[in-house]
Amino acid sequence: DTGVSQDPRHKITKRGQNVTFRCDPISEHNRLYWYRQTLGQGPEFLTYFQNEAQLEKSRLLSDRFSAERPKGSFSTLEIQRTEQGDSAMYLCASSPVTGGNYNEQFFGPGTRLTVL
Amino acid sequence: GENVEQHPSTLSVQEGDSAVIKCTYSDSASNYFPWYKQELGKGPQLIIDIRSNVGEKKDQRIAVTLNKTAKHFSLHITETQPEDSAVYFCAATGGFKTIFGAGTRLFVKA
Repeated sequence: DTGVSQDPRHKITKRGQNVTFRCDPISEHNRLYWYRQTLGQGPEFLTYFQNEAQLEKSRLLSDRFSAERPKGSFSTLEIQRTEQGDSAMYLCASSPVTGGNYNEQFFGPGTRLTVL
Repeated sequence: GENVEQHPSTLSVQEGDSAVIKCTYSDSASNYFPWYKQELGKGPQLIIDIRSNVGEKKDQRIAVTLNKTAKHFSLHITETQPEDSAVYFCAATGGFKTIFGAGTRLFVKA
């Protein structure tokens, strides 16, 4: 399977703990996106990378959130001092820069975070 | 700020009937409009998309229309089947930023 993968699929943590999620995009895709999805809502944009450069961050991404893509391949999203309001599905997507489907984003299965 | 409104939030149809979902967007810079289907426990999957220089696109039982002047776009599913039951999201993309609608939960009754 050469799709987008995310790890872990589920994470339960206690309030105040730090968590880190990983996303492996489709190998030839230069663009990588993180989204947050709460129950009954569409995905909300968090941040965007082109290769290793983080080009945009949403206002939703407070200073407790940090994302990296050190070698332009996989990406990590870390949440420090988690709060109950951080409970959500965190989705990763990737897309190519060129080609006929350069806008199309391919989503991973998501990491469901529950903060107790 | 940018916004995408999606209606209805829930839609129930009989198998074989058509389903229509409508969206409006606010950002004039949006030029790409994808539709995603999300099943329980999975990430969204693209089912059809349309670019701003096209008014209509069809792929088998699925069609999408775009009215750039009115900033409206719609998804049409004909001959619905039980396996079409899922949550559908419209989205509007300008540059690298994509704004999603809140979703429509479609139930197809056999």
